[in-house]
Amino acid sequence: RKEVEQDPGPFNVPEGATVAFNCTYSNSASQSFFWYRQDCRKEPKLLMSVYSSGNEDGRFTAQLNRASQYISLLIRDSKLSDSATYLCVVNIRTIAGNMLTFGGGTRLMVKP
Amino acid sequence: DAGVIQSPRHEVTEMGQEVTLRCKPISGHNSLFWYRQTMMRGLELLIYFNNNVPIDDSGMPEDRFSAKMPNASFSTLKIQPSEPRDSAVYFCASSLSAVLHFGNGTRLTVT
Repeated sequence: RKEVEQDPGPFNVPEGATVAFNCTYSNSASQSFFWYRQDCRKEPKLLMSVYSSGNEDGRFTAQLNRASQYISLLIRDSKLSDSATYLCVVNIRTIAGNMLTFGGGTRLMVKP
Repeated sequence: DAGVIQSPRHEVTEMGQEVTLRCKPISGHNSLFWYRQTMMRGLELLIYFNNNVPIDDSGMPEDRFSAKMPNASFSTLKIQPSEPRDSAVYFCASSLSAVLHFGNGTRLTVT
């Protein structure tokens, strides 16, 4: 079993739709969580951190469920420009530093 | 504000040749990561450094791969000899916390 798992998709949705992705992690010692966005042939970029109480940034909402060991990303009123691959990242802080593990990514395609 | 700088952007080489990828992290960042990305395997961590010291190189595929960080502002990833299956995009990232800042990547093609 992979440490961080995501449904690869693609998720094909029309403009204006609401779409949600989940990401499960296997290590219960994981301490911090993030969503990154990667456009085609570009580098990943931080979209948002995920806080224990859940957090929102405009049309994007991230949530964490420690009991079930998953994080989620909800995108409301999706735009064509939201088309990208969304990567979840799980961090375990050790004495040596941060151990960051990426999921395989979920591809989103927003259609007109 | 300069981000993480990688060179070259593209590299095409023949099987058996030595390949050296370069990375300049963001000034002040104390951690540096090398990742490899392919369609089949996604983003894989190869090695990471903390304060210029290699911490975890368990992701390095085999002895053909080596990485160095001689100082806080420079790192190299070397493949010798290269093989076609090494073809991928290689990303360098740096961080001061748990947030990674990626370079543009080096697209390596080994024929």
